[in-house]
This record gives sequence, C-alpha cells and structure tokens, in this order.
Amino acid sequence: GQNIDQPTEMTATEGAIVQINCTYQTSGFNGLFWYQQHAGEAPTFLSYNVLDGLEEKGRFSSFLSRSKGYSYLLLKELQMKDSASYLCAVSWGDYKLSFGAGTTVTVRA
Amino acid sequence: EPEVTQTPSHQVTQMGQEVILRCVPISNHLYFYWYRQILGQKVEFLVSFYNNEISEKSEIFDDQFSVERPDGSNFTLKIRSTKLEDSAMYFCASSEFWFVDRPPYNEQFFGPGTRLTVL
Repeated sequence: GQNIDQPTEMTATEGAIVQINCTYQTSGFNGLFWYQQHAGEAPTFLSYNVLDGLEEKGRFSSFLSRSKGYSYLLLKELQMKDSASYLCAVSWGDYKLSFGAGTTVTVRA
Repeated sequence: EPEVTQTPSHQVTQMGQEVILRCVPISNHLYFYWYRQILGQKVEFLVSFYNNEISEKSEIFDDQFSVERPDGSNFTLKIRSTKLEDSAMYFCASSEFWFVDRPPYNEQFFGPGTRLTVL
C-alpha cells in the first residue's frame, strides 16, 4: 500500500506565499501529482513531478525529492479563489493514483 | 478544450438496487479509471482499464462492481447490489501516455463526478 501524508489545514493572507508539504512511502513510484479540489467538485490538475527538482507553472511550483519521499507545492501571490483543498497524489503500479487526505487552504483578505 | 463527462450528476437509489454510472472519456485517451470519494474522505482508486480489460483493481472493487466499455465512447461502472456504504462521489478519469526523453507522463483528467446516494 501507499502512505501519503500532508497537513490537514493551512491559512494564509491574500498576496502571500504558502508551501504545502507531502511525504510518501511507496513501491513502484511513477510520479507525483498535485491536484486542486473545490468542495463538491472534481480534482483539477496543477502539476506533475517525475524527476527530482522544481517544476514551475505560473503562480504554482512543485518540488520533488525521490530519495526523501518528499514533495511540496508552492502557491505564490495567493488569491481568494485559491481557497480549496490541495491533493498530493502518487502514481504507482499500473499508473493508478493514491491520494493523500488533502490540505485545506484558506486565504484571508 | 476536451473534457471527461459523466452522467448522471446525482443518483439516488435504494439499498440492494443496481446502478450504472456512465462516463465519456476524452476521445483520444486509451486509459480509463474509476475513483470514489466518500464525503469528507480522500479520493480512492477503484479500477483501471486499458485495451478492453481491467488493468488493476483495488480491494474495494469486489464482485459487486464491474466495468465495461460498451462502445467506442462510453465507459461504465456498474454496482450490482448497492449498500449504504457505497454512497460517495464517483469520479471517472482518462489519460494518455507521453513518452519523450523522460519517464512516461500520465496526467489523468477527471470528470465532474456522479454523487451516488444509497438509502
């Protein structure tokens, strides 16, 4: 099985930066995804890391260290619409995804 | 932009009844998945499907569940005899693989989900 840990909740101010950490223990690692999920909606893709290092995509960046089983998602210039749950998901085996429980980010004015 | 669609958006059924959840994956995708999310819990993998057969299934996907690709566009999940604990949001996802100069890239696109309520 997979063990994926991420903080339950984080709060930040509009315009600030927030870093969401994710640690995982896995077998047959294929890559790590970050998804955003608003309440009652489907997960939407944010980023993907398969090699070590930083991937930057606009206001969102994601980092991976495979040797440490560690990733983070960095959200810059926070906006109110960024208030959502952020899901760390590991691709393994036959490319299925195992998800963490999600981190609820609340952006305050 | 192409997207995964699912019907119905909400299904209410009585315990013991059969339900069929429908999905239309993105047209050039070859890999299909079903996930579920019980309210307040994490997203859980159910089954993956490729080349008209199941690739992998989780321990949740028991004999009460089945999947089918009845034609070139639809992908269905059937629950034969629903239980109260089957109440959840069911997400269909599809993907294609990119092989460039790195390990395969397999972004899964999720449909909007079907909320199943078993009474």
